[in-house]
Amino acid sequence: AQSVTQPDIHITVSEGASLELRCNYSYGATPYLFWYVQSPGQGLQLLLKYFSGDTLVQGIKGFEAEFKRSQSSFNLRKPSVHWSDAAEYFCAFNTGGFKTIFGAGTRLFVKA
Amino acid sequence: DAGVTQSPTHLIKTRGQQVTLRCSPISGHKSVSWYQQVLGQGPQFIFQYYEKEERGRGNFPDRFSARQFPNYSSELNVNALLLGDSALYLCASSPDGPGGLTDTQYFGPGTRLTVL
Repeated sequence: AQSVTQPDIHITVSEGASLELRCNYSYGATPYLFWYVQSPGQGLQLLLKYFSGDTLVQGIKGFEAEFKRSQSSFNLRKPSVHWSDAAEYFCAFNTGGFKTIFGAGTRLFVKA
Repeated sequence: DAGVTQSPTHLIKTRGQQVTLRCSPISGHKSVSWYQQVLGQGPQFIFQYYEKEERGRGNFPDRFSARQFPNYSSELNVNALLLGDSALYLCASSPDGPGGLTDTQYFGPGTRLTVL
């Protein structure tokens, strides 16, 4: 079955520390991969996407993600977290059709 | 440029009632998708419409229906509301339809539906 797993329900990091959010997908081929961020009461904002080519993808707000085919993973990273990064992060994929499948999300808390 | 807009922002209904949610896509976008996001979960796909035709449907009962208008705006209707329908309903638009090269979806802020 097609699915996305975000193993960490929530993560707490100190401001200025590095961040890595994990994402694994289950699909027989390479899908289109996305990371979205959702602030409380807001819709989803696209951080970055991977369609093909370079496996290290740069996004907005200083985020990057690396696609690893062998591990079926698409982990999100940021070298230095800011307090404004506190939000919920969703990994998602699309197989080129009409349906985008989302993970359950990882809530990021940032402590001063 | 205006993003995806949704109305109303919040809605409270009672069990058994019917509700209509509205979505206006980004100008030039022909595809609209609807998602249900229950508290604590990721969005679940409900429908996609492209050029006024349903192109995909998720695993939702027939109480859920939608349509897309000639100006590409869309409505989501839910009949016979259940408590479990309480959720944030998100609309997303994209330039192309299924299989299009541009599969990025742009989301609206959502409509928070509470069923009592």
